[in-house]
Parts: sequence; C-alpha cells; structure tokens
Amino acid sequence: TQLLEQSPQFLSIQEGENLTVYCNSSSVFSSLQWYRQEPGEGPVLLVTVVTGGEVKKLKRLTFQFGDARKDSSLHITAAQPGDTGLYLCAGGNYGGATNKLIFGTGTLLAVQP
Amino acid sequence: DTGVSQDPRHKITKRGQNVTFRCDPISEHNRLYWYRQTLGQGPEFLTYFQNEAQLEKSRLLSDRFSAERPKGSFSTLEIQRTEQGDSAMYLCASSSAGGLLETQYFGPGTRLLVL
Repeated sequence: TQLLEQSPQFLSIQEGENLTVYCNSSSVFSSLQWYRQEPGEGPVLLVTVVTGGEVKKLKRLTFQFGDARKDSSLHITAAQPGDTGLYLCAGGNYGGATNKLIFGTGTLLAVQP
Repeated sequence: DTGVSQDPRHKITKRGQNVTFRCDPISEHNRLYWYRQTLGQGPEFLTYFQNEAQLEKSRLLSDRFSAERPKGSFSTLEIQRTEQGDSAMYLCASSSAGGLLETQYFGPGTRLLVL
C-alpha cells in the first residue's frame, strides 16, 4: 500500500513568515500534485510535478519533487492570511487503469494577520 | 465550464437508511472519480469510471456501496444501510484526459452525517 506522510500536521504562523511543508513516501510516484482545500470545499490543484528534482514556482509558492520521486516539499514565502487552508499532496501512478490519486495526510495552515 | 457539481451538499440520515449522492462532472469529461474524506484526513479513492464503465473499485467500497454512471454523464453513489462510520465528505472529481499531467477537478463534496 502506498502512503504519503505530510509534516507538520498543523502550522500556525504570523503574516510575513516563511514555511515549508513536507510530503514523504517510501514509494515512487509518476507524478506528485499539491492541492489546497478550504473548509466545505473540494481540493483545488496548485501544481503537478513529474520529473525527479523538478522545481516549480507559483508566485510565492515553490514546489520541489525529490530526485527519487518519493518525496516533495512546498515552500511559501511571506505567508498571507489568504494562504490559510488545508494543503494536500497527492501521488499519481501513470500507466495503470486509472490515474487515481493517493493523498497525503494533509497540513492545516493558519496564517494570522 | 461550470465546474463539477454535487448534490446534495449536506445529508443527515439515521443509521440503517439508504442515501444517494449525485455528481455532475464538467461536460465532456470522460473520466470520473469518487473519493471519501474523513475529518482531518486526505481524500481516499473509492471508484473510477471511464465513460460509463466502472474500471476500478477500492477495497474501501464495501458491498453496501454502489456507484453508477449511466450514459457516461452524471454519476450516482448509493450507500445502503448506512453506518456511523460512513460519516464523511464524499468528493467527486472529473478529468478529460489521462497521462502524467492529468488534472482532476473536484466538486464541493457532499457531507454525510449518520446519526
């Protein structure tokens, strides 16, 4: 069974601080996606990384896929209250019957103004 | 695109009752997924349709659960004889193509509470 562990589980920071969320697995994935989910809503895709060592930037967010494609990190610079939400990583395995996603345990981020 | 819609958004039922949820994917998306999310956890895969064919079911999907996608458009998820452990958010997602860069678009979910 493939599992994705995220750390930390909870993070409460002040506006303007930087933070990093980690997503780790003992399994290799074809792709790794990061989602943000707000209360009462479905997850919204932020980014997809597919190449080991790949780094993608989305404004103040930087995503990295580990060289061995088993882990990933999300770094937020100068966090803002609008970044508050549940951050989920999800691994995909291309080549099977489906592209079902294996989601991580989630990191709940609260950015205080 | 109007996005993935799910109905109802909330459902409260008594243990032992049957419930049915509906998902309307983005039009022309041929791939449809159901996931279940319990409080404080990430979503877990339940089942997958490509067009009208149900191609994969998770072991999480007990005999009390059944999903359909007639004509490859909307999908329904039925839970028979609900149990308190079925309380969760049920999420539907759709996509138009597979591959490494497949993007699954999620609906707002149906939150089920079994009393």
